[in-house]
Amino acid sequence: AQKVTQAQTEISVVEKEDVTLDCVYETRDTTYYLFWYKQPPSGELVFLIRRNSFDEQNEISGRYSWNFQKSTSSFNFTITASQVVDSAVYFCALSSPGGANSKLTFGKGITLSVRP
Amino acid sequence: KAGVTQTPRYLIKTRGQQVTLSCSPISGHRSVSWYQQTPGQGLQFLFEYFSETQRNKGNFPGRFSGRQFSNSRSEMNVSTLELGDSALYLCASSGGLVGTDTQYFGPGTRLTVL
Repeated sequence: AQKVTQAQTEISVVEKEDVTLDCVYETRDTTYYLFWYKQPPSGELVFLIRRNSFDEQNEISGRYSWNFQKSTSSFNFTITASQVVDSAVYFCALSSPGGANSKLTFGKGITLSVRP
Repeated sequence: KAGVTQTPRYLIKTRGQQVTLSCSPISGHRSVSWYQQTPGQGLQFLFEYFSETQRNKGNFPGRFSGRQFSNSRSEMNVSTLELGDSALYLCASSGGLVGTDTQYFGPGTRLTVL
């Protein structure tokens, strides 16, 4: 069975602070994909980033960066110089082709509040 | 490219009624998945359709059903509504490679059951 744990439930920061969102996953599959989605108050889930299990290279994309470590089954997401518009619920998700099931398994989400 | 669209955006029904929600995927996407989001259970997978066939199904009662048309548009139906069916229903589309493709979500349909 697959599982995604987001231990943080709510984070509040002041604008321009850096913030890291933690994600720990469980899967028996050797090939899998990890995602971060953002859900603003409007409700739509917005795709942010995706990582393949066979590529542990960490990257930076604008103000977003991520740290993928297979050894600790973690896929953490960092927002640098946070802005008020970053306020949203952030979900970490996992999928794998194993078992011919394309469903995404989501964590419970982290509510991020960025104060001016 | 237009994103995933869902209609209606809001719906109010009473217990015992049935409801149909619609989802139009991104052009070229052949897979449509449905998720239910509630404060208590979070985001849960309902089912996935690919080429007009249900390819995967989550752990939901038979009152929840769906279908997909030849143009990849999908509908989901909930019969005999219960109070607990009140939720945000999200539809996602992808290219269709099982467990591989990125799923892109629509704005959701917020269903309230009174």
